[in-house]
Amino acid sequence: DIQMTQSPSSLSASVGDRVTITCRASQSISTYLNWYQQKPGKAPKLLIYAASSLQGGVPSRFSGSGSGAHFTLTISSLQPEDFATYYCQQSHSNPLTFGGGTKVEIK
Amino acid sequence: EVHLLESGGGLVRPGGSLRVSCAASGFTFTTNAMGWVRQAPGKGLEWVSVISETGVTTHYADSVKGRFTVSKDTSKNTLYLQMNSLRAEDTALYYCAKYIWEPDRAFDFWGQGTMVTVSS
Repeated sequence: DIQMTQSPSSLSASVGDRVTITCRASQSISTYLNWYQQKPGKAPKLLIYAASSLQGGVPSRFSGSGSGAHFTLTISSLQPEDFATYYCQQSHSNPLTFGGGTKVEIK
Repeated sequence: EVHLLESGGGLVRPGGSLRVSCAASGFTFTTNAMGWVRQAPGKGLEWVSVISETGVTTHYADSVKGRFTVSKDTSKNTLYLQMNSLRAEDTALYYCAKYIWEPDRAFDFWGQGTMVTVSS
């Protein structure tokens, strides 16, 4: 199974900050990497698919990059509504696996 | 607008069975793959299963293989997850999600989930 490791597991940031979350795969997954946002009590929401493609309706301050085994999610200017938990997920091979999540909290 | 509504969750004893459902609307159910993802209380996301648009191809996490069965009823636009031999570790909020099988392989829309609790 492909293991997905996110870092950090949590971070504190202020509105307007640039935030970067890292996701590493235990083997190369090409660009089969998705990012989801989950707010408390809500379902996850797809932000980025195929490592760098922005899902429709998602603000352009979100961006994804990477290929192979190293990926990043960047929020260029953190907004109040962005405080949430973020998960990466590989879709290169079954079983599909998620990272452990990164909780973005208000500083 | 895509809408997914799960139902059928509840309390079940270890070893018991339960079937959860997901009513889909706002897209062509017959030409889309679907999946289930679960989340134990206070924990992260865990993939459970996916089913192809035709229902012919299915995949399962090792933790549920042989116990859970995913299916689609295209006449009712409904996705099902039949869960047998339930264990305490199956306790979770079960989300149904629309799955883009190719080329992007992502869960692009999610329901709000149905809670399954396995306890004596």
